[in-house]
Amino acid sequence: DIVMTQSPRSLPVTPGEPASISCRSSQSLLASNGNIYLDWYVQKSGRSPQLLIYLASNRASGVPDRFSGSGSGTDFTLRISRVEAEDVGVYYCMQALRTPWTFGQGTKVEIK
Amino acid sequence: VQLVESGGRLVQPGGSLRLSCAASGFTFDNYWMSWIRQAPGKGLEWVANIRQDGIGRYHLDSVQGRFGVSRDNTKNLLFLQMNSLRVEDTAVYYCARIHHVDFTDEGFDYWGRGTLVTVSS
Repeated sequence: DIVMTQSPRSLPVTPGEPASISCRSSQSLLASNGNIYLDWYVQKSGRSPQLLIYLASNRASGVPDRFSGSGSGTDFTLRISRVEAEDVGVYYCMQALRTPWTFGQGTKVEIK
Repeated sequence: VQLVESGGRLVQPGGSLRLSCAASGFTFDNYWMSWIRQAPGKGLEWVANIRQDGIGRYHLDSVQGRFGVSRDNTKNLLFLQMNSLRVEDTAVYYCARIHHVDFTDEGFDYWGRGTLVTVSS
């Protein structure tokens, strides 16, 4: 199975400041078709998860442009250019290259 | 797009349960579908995927042989049959649509609100 490792596990942030979360996979997520099968999700308190970034760097529909994803192979980053109070929640990376699809442990983003 | 799960409840270890997910707002048989679970206070765990035709199915190793994903494309319903339930299967179970983009299927673009399955004596 592909193991996904996120850091940090907890991220206190200041509104208006940037923030970033790292995700590492135990195997390359680059497929033969050129796609990188890495997604980012956020789960806000009491809610279902929602897709933020797909195929490593593409924002999902309706996601603010302050969110961006980057990376290739095994190392990936989710960046928030200027954190807003509504961004608090738990962020997960997930690989969809090979079943079982696997998630990182999650990073809890909270306001300082 | 709307996904509404049902069927979760308290069940004893060794028991069975069938979860349902009613889909609307999209052409159901054009999409792979999935089940994902989240144990209380824990992270997300993928459980199963099912192809549009209902024939291609993939399950998490720890549920293989106990759980079975299926679908009814005539009624826009997704199912998860859960047998031989264990305490560690206790979780909120989410139904999700698999994201189809650029000729590939990956991730989950829509999620239901989930249904709670509690396995306890």
